[in-house]
Amino acid sequence: DQQVKQNSPSLSVQEGRISILNCDYTNSMFDYFLWYKKYPAEGPTFLISISSIKDKNEDGRFTVFLNKSAKHLSLHIVPSQPGDSAVYFCAAWNSGYSTLTFGKGTMLLVSP
Amino acid sequence: DGGITQSPKYLFRKEGQNVTLSCEQNLNHDAMYWYRQDPGQGLRLIYYSQIVNDFQKGDIAEGYSVSREKKESFPLTVTSAQKNPTAFYLCASSERDLTDTQYFGPGTRLTVL
Repeated sequence: DQQVKQNSPSLSVQEGRISILNCDYTNSMFDYFLWYKKYPAEGPTFLISISSIKDKNEDGRFTVFLNKSAKHLSLHIVPSQPGDSAVYFCAAWNSGYSTLTFGKGTMLLVSP
Repeated sequence: DGGITQSPKYLFRKEGQNVTLSCEQNLNHDAMYWYRQDPGQGLRLIYYSQIVNDFQKGDIAEGYSVSREKKESFPLTVTSAQKNPTAFYLCASSERDLTDTQYFGPGTRLTVL
């Protein structure tokens, strides 16, 4: 049973527009969430994180929103750039069990 | 008891010395990972390995090296080329790949003096 779900396998956005990547989770014990970006043939790169006690964290063009009651988080990229084209993974940390659970990823394609 | 062990818990080294952090798992997992955690930052991936004798660079591999000669062991060497080695290092393993749940060891806090 997948505890972290990224239901959209892919997303296409035009350059300059907003990209919204979504992630849902089922385990209320997760207390920290992270987003990673991965280019083909490279390892994942950490992007941004959010603690479960917050509802928003912003870093440059990247903002993560957390809705605990809905068990939903989203990553907003504004404005989107062609170099943002990659696979984005949502991950959830459970400090009680020291586990990190990744979603299956969403491939973002930003076209010029 | 199945799990992941990291040793030592605290490690002090002089600048310019290489140091090797140990990570062992008896979960029969194929994949193993090394992360680094700095204050205010998320977990950043250093290296990962999905099979014996094979490993890939992560986010911040420069100044680090690894080996995977045995399924259960994935030691990380912090070399003198790593510009800012003082950090908390976490090792993890998962059944097959990145998207399987990763189980973490207790971590090693490395301080370079």
